Amino acid sequence: DQQVKQNSPSLSVQEGRISILNCDYTNSMFDYFLWYKKYPAEGPTFLISISSIKDKNEDGRFTVFLNKSAKHLSLHIVPSQPGDSAVYFCAASARGNTPLVFGKGTRLSVIA
Amino acid sequence: SQTIHQWPATLVQPVGSPLSLECTVEGTSNPNLYWYRQAAGRGLQLLFYSVGIGQISSEVPQNLSASRPQDRQFILSSKKLLLSDSGFYLCALGRSGTQYFGPGTRLLVL
Repeated sequence: DQQVKQNSPSLSVQEGRISILNCDYTNSMFDYFLWYKKYPAEGPTFLISISSIKDKNEDGRFTVFLNKSAKHLSLHIVPSQPGDSAVYFCAASARGNTPLVFGKGTRLSVIA
Repeated sequence: SQTIHQWPATLVQPVGSPLSLECTVEGTSNPNLYWYRQAAGRGLQLLFYSVGIGQISSEVPQNLSASRPQDRQFILSSKKLLLSDSGFYLCALGRSGTQYFGPGTRLLVL
């Protein structure tokens, strides 16, 4: 049973436009959510996180939105740049340093 | 800040051979450590995690094992590799609810 789902395996966006990556979860005990970016043959890089007590967290061009009632979160990248092309993983955990549960990732391609 | 080392970076091994992948961390003490695998075209699968020396939790039954002989060392092993063990192996450490990943080891079993 997949507790964290990223239903879009890939997404193409033009440079300068907004990229929206979506993630759904099923476990209501999750209270901490993260997004990672991964280039081929490299380890994932932590991008941004959000606690369940918030519904929005912003860091530069990256904003994460959390809708707890819908068990849905999204990552917005504005404006999108070619260097943003990578695989983005959504992850979630319950209560602190428990292992993260990852989605299968969405491959973002930003076209110049 | 912490640093995560993994070696080797790439490994090609025949089926049935043993495996030992090493992960060491610097700049932190008593970290939670994790082993993940990313198979081709797949997501990140948690294999093992450790909250301290000698403490290992296994997430999936398979022919791999893990050990934590020192606080900052985490080892992934196998006695006999299978073709299905091919993949990208990632070590991570946990801090304040966030996990930070090492550079990974690409394993190809032929």
